[in-house]
Amino acid sequence: DARVTQTPRHKVTEMGQEVTMRCQPILGHNTVFWYRQTMMQGLELLAYFRNRAPLDDSGMPKDRFSAEMPDATLATLKIQPSEPRDSAVYFCASGLVPSGSLYEQFFGPGTRLTVL
Amino acid sequence: GENVEQHPSTLSVQEGDSAVIKCTYSDSASNYFPWYKQELGKGPQLIIDIRSNVGEKKDQRIAVTLNKTAKHFSLHITETQPEDSAVYFCAASTSSNTGKLIFGQGTTLQVKP
Repeated sequence: DARVTQTPRHKVTEMGQEVTMRCQPILGHNTVFWYRQTMMQGLELLAYFRNRAPLDDSGMPKDRFSAEMPDATLATLKIQPSEPRDSAVYFCASGLVPSGSLYEQFFGPGTRLTVL
Repeated sequence: GENVEQHPSTLSVQEGDSAVIKCTYSDSASNYFPWYKQELGKGPQLIIDIRSNVGEKKDQRIAVTLNKTAKHFSLHITETQPEDSAVYFCAASTSSNTGKLIFGQGTTLQVKP
């Protein structure tokens, strides 16, 4: 049963600390997305990659956020330094573009981040 | 820029009634319109999608309609059940054809037994 996995599922940290979230996309998928979900902003696209290359990271605060794909099986989202306003659920999604299912994205279970 | 508006933000129906959620999009080049269901504590999951060359698609109790001229699409759930209670998101593809989706703000559906 192919699925996107994310670690950790929950993270509580103090303001100023570095946070790293990890995502393993579905094997064979070539596109990876990072989203942030808050009550106020819904699903907000932070960055996405095609074949490990960043396509668009305009939704990400560049001064503290960074996203990378060290290899095809791992995507990371890092926040340094973290701030209370970064508290949210972070989702990773993967997809295969182009494909018969066009642009279907498969979401992971999310990382719930709380910054105190 | 590209935008998807979704209404209503909350919807409460009685079990067995129908529920309708509506979305409008701004990019006339959008050609793919998925709907996602998000249950508490989980990531969104695709429940149905429609392409721009189709006006309507149905899968058991759920259906989606698309009006390309008016740039709006809707999700219809018939014979609602308590397990349909969740947050529903519509989305539209972008003209860049990169796989990027623009999501609506979400609708919280509550089905009362």
